[in-house]
Amino acid sequence: DTGVSQDPRHKITKRGQNVTFRCDPISEHNRLYWYRQTLGQGPEFLTYFQNEAQLEKSRLLSDRFSAERPKGSFSTLEIQRTEQGDSAMYLCASRDQLDSPLHFGNGTRLTVT
Amino acid sequence: QKEVEQNSGPLSVPEGAIASLNCTYSDRGSQSFFWYRQYSGKSPELIMFIYSNGDKEDGRFTAQLNKASQYVSLLIRDSQPSDSATYLCAAENQAGTALIFGKGTTLSVSS
Repeated sequence: DTGVSQDPRHKITKRGQNVTFRCDPISEHNRLYWYRQTLGQGPEFLTYFQNEAQLEKSRLLSDRFSAERPKGSFSTLEIQRTEQGDSAMYLCASRDQLDSPLHFGNGTRLTVT
Repeated sequence: QKEVEQNSGPLSVPEGAIASLNCTYSDRGSQSFFWYRQYSGKSPELIMFIYSNGDKEDGRFTAQLNKASQYVSLLIRDSQPSDSATYLCAAENQAGTALIFGKGTTLSVSS
């Protein structure tokens, strides 16, 4: 169990640019989640994958956000035309079955200037 | 919109005291509940989970669940300065597709 891995740890980008983040879940975990967290707030759910299928996506999620998990292993989260309001910590988490705890990665901190 | 509510604090307790953290949830269909600890700038780490009404103890930590009142709590006994962090309460949504988090309670333990 090497834990959930996220890359990069930090990303600084200019407004209007596209960014992509990667998440490698714990190898035996088939469920993968993306969350966003801003200062003083709890993690906000973005989307959920079971294997390669994206089963749920937050209604709050702008269509500038897209996530994939093409082979049911690693996942990517892309933000197009970034805005300053996108600045946040993006957290990836995984688990092996429903009702079990989520295991979080170290997160990717995005700063949009 | 299903919600999890926590008092943001800060909650300040002296070293050695009991810290009591509370949480309410709105989704009556929630069956699984989790407490995470988060240090500043770090990602959440699991402390405990609870599925059944009543108490669950693990070392210095006790989680309590009352589904009728839609209330979850975490007690930390013999609080240490290293317990100073933000504590996040989370409830699994009824569909089982996401954990919904509260905003967290900041705990400060003074030595």
